[in-house]
Amino acid sequence: NAGVTQTPKFQVLKTGQSMTLQCAQDMNHEYMSWYRQDPGMGLRLIHYSVGAGITDQGEVPNGYNVSRSTTEDFPLRLLSAAPSQTSVYFCASSYAVVLGDYGYTFGSGTRLTVV
Amino acid sequence: QQQVKQSPQSLIVQKGGISIINCAYENTAFDYFPWYQQFPGKGPALLIAIRPDVSEKKEGRFTISFNKSAKQFSLHIMDSQPGDSATYFCAAGINKLIFGTGTLLAVQP
Repeated sequence: NAGVTQTPKFQVLKTGQSMTLQCAQDMNHEYMSWYRQDPGMGLRLIHYSVGAGITDQGEVPNGYNVSRSTTEDFPLRLLSAAPSQTSVYFCASSYAVVLGDYGYTFGSGTRLTVV
Repeated sequence: QQQVKQSPQSLIVQKGGISIINCAYENTAFDYFPWYQQFPGKGPALLIAIRPDVSEKKEGRFTISFNKSAKQFSLHIMDSQPGDSATYFCAAGINKLIFGTGTLLAVQP
C-alpha cells in the first residue's frame, strides 16, 4: 500500500540540464497533478491530468512538460533547468475527477536545486 | 494571480488555546474547500473539508466555518496541542485545487 511515490527525493541540477521527476500511484486514481512549493507562495499547480492521455496546464506551466500514458504514472519533465525552478515538487492524486471528500493524496516530495 | 488568500502567515498559540486561520476566495464557482496539514519533510495531508451548502463542519478539535456571502472560510483548532504544530494550507476549487500561501502554526507547551 505505497500510495503516491515520488523519485528522486533530492536532486541538484546545473542550469540548462534536463531531467524527469517521477510520480507513481497504486490506488487506481484517475486524477493526478504536480505542484511546486516555495516559501511564502504556498502550493502552485503546474500541470494536471484527469485520466490517461489527458493533461492540462495549471497556474505555472512554463518550463515543464507532462504526459500520462498510464493511469499509474505522471512524470514531470524539466526541459532546460533554471535557478527559478529551485523548489520542492509534490505530486498528488485523487480518486475523483470532480473534487469530493476523497481529497488529494500527496507524495513526500522532491527537493530540486538548480545551480 | 492569487485566488485564495490566507492569513496569518504565522501563528503562535499556547497549549490549550484556540488557533484560528482565515482564508478568502474570489471565484464564486468554487464548491470545495479543504484544509491540509503539513509536517516538515512531508507532503500535505487532508485535514477537513467543507462544501458551500453548510456553514460549519466539525471533526474532533478541528472546525471549518464557512461564510458564502463574504467568500471566506476559516479553520479553528480547539484545545491546541504541541503536536498540532505544522503548516496549514487552505484550498478551494471545482475540478482542481488552488492553495493558499500557508500558515505556520507553533503551539507552545
